[in-house]
Parts: sequence; structure tokens; C-alpha cells
Amino acid sequence: DAKTTQPTSMDCAEGRAANLPCNHSTISGNEYVYWYRQIHSQGPQYIIHGLKNNETNEMASLIITEDRKSSTLILPHATLRDTAVYYCIVRAHLTDNNDMRFGAGTRLTVKP
Amino acid sequence: DAGVIQSPRHEVTEMGQEVTLRCKPISGHDYLFWYRQTMMRGLELLIYFNNNVPIDDSGMPEDRFSAKMPNASFSTLKIQPSEPRDSAVYFCASRYRQGAEAFFGQGTRLTVV
Repeated sequence: DAKTTQPTSMDCAEGRAANLPCNHSTISGNEYVYWYRQIHSQGPQYIIHGLKNNETNEMASLIITEDRKSSTLILPHATLRDTAVYYCIVRAHLTDNNDMRFGAGTRLTVKP
Repeated sequence: DAGVIQSPRHEVTEMGQEVTLRCKPISGHDYLFWYRQTMMRGLELLIYFNNNVPIDDSGMPEDRFSAKMPNASFSTLKIQPSEPRDSAVYFCASRYRQGAEAFFGQGTRLTVV
């Protein structure tokens, strides 16, 4: 799997949009971008994933650049409960390699 | 479905003792993953199974660690003998088919004294 690079930490004001960047410059054509988050003391939780088109669900939006070398996870109206570590992962579908390896992630702190 | 269920939630044991962690995946999921999380090393993939068969155990740190999946609804991670450096939170996750999201259990916090 391609490696990812994320900032170690970020702050965001409550009610504002949180924009979390991820670099994945060596991503392959069949690799998807996945985002998970881990709230303190809990297991990681899936947020969203995409291949090349922008994606949106009830939790967040995922913006992938045209060259697919980077992406941004957007939490449109961050709340205190969004304080967590956010992980960006790239992995291929429908291959023999189905592992899912996490990096260090970005620690997002939402402040009142 | 109740989600991925891990037991026990907390385990305190003495060095040298055998420890067994248990995981019940979500029914119908055919992939199962074991992870270990520490402050120093983050979230590490130890081993994963596909249809009860171990596919990649390259993350298993030593021969003291072993994992089994005797059927589709149960998996164990065993440490024998345990050491203080094994203290960590161990997570189990399961996933249906190759492209889908993974669901994690609440973890087992292991303390070896």
C-alpha cells in the first residue's frame, strides 16, 4: 500500500469547518483513499472513502485532487465530539493484499 | 447486529502467564484483523484472516504470539508467556468483502505486571 503523510495535529474552532489534509503521492491507479477516526479509548471508526471523485456522506466530505496525490477530509461544522485522531489510508480493492495499515494520523482538537 | 465483540475489556496479568484475547466478528464478515495499539508504536496490524484462513501474520511480533480462527464467528489471540512490553490495547476488526469498511471492536486493554 502507498504511504500517506498527515500533519501531526490540528486545531479547529467549534462550528467551523475542519479541513484535514493527506498526501499520498505514490498512490496507484487502483488504490482508494480511506479515512477513519479514533475517539479516545474507542476503536477506529470508518468515515468515508473514494477513488477519484469527490465523495460526501452524513459525516464528512472527501476531496481528492485531480492527480490523486493528495486529498482533504472536510468536517463541515466541527463539534467538540469530533475531537479525535484522523487516519488517512490508501489501499487497493479486489487484490490479494487486503490488509489495512494505519499511520500516525492527525490529532484534531475542536475548541469551544 | 451488536458489532464486533471483544473480551475481556480489561486484563491484568503477571509476567509469564498465558493471556487469551477473544473476538467475535460481525456475522457474515469474511475478513478479520487483529491490531495492537501503544503510544510509542501507534496502531499496528498483527495478523488478518480471510474466511478463517490466516493470510498475513508478518506483524506478529514474536513466537510468543499466536492467533487462531476456528470458525467464522470466533477468533483468539494468545500470548504465551506474556511480558510487560506486551501491555497495550488490542483491537479486533472485521470486514465484509474486499472493498468495504472495517468495523472495530472496543478493544481489550492488557496490562502485564
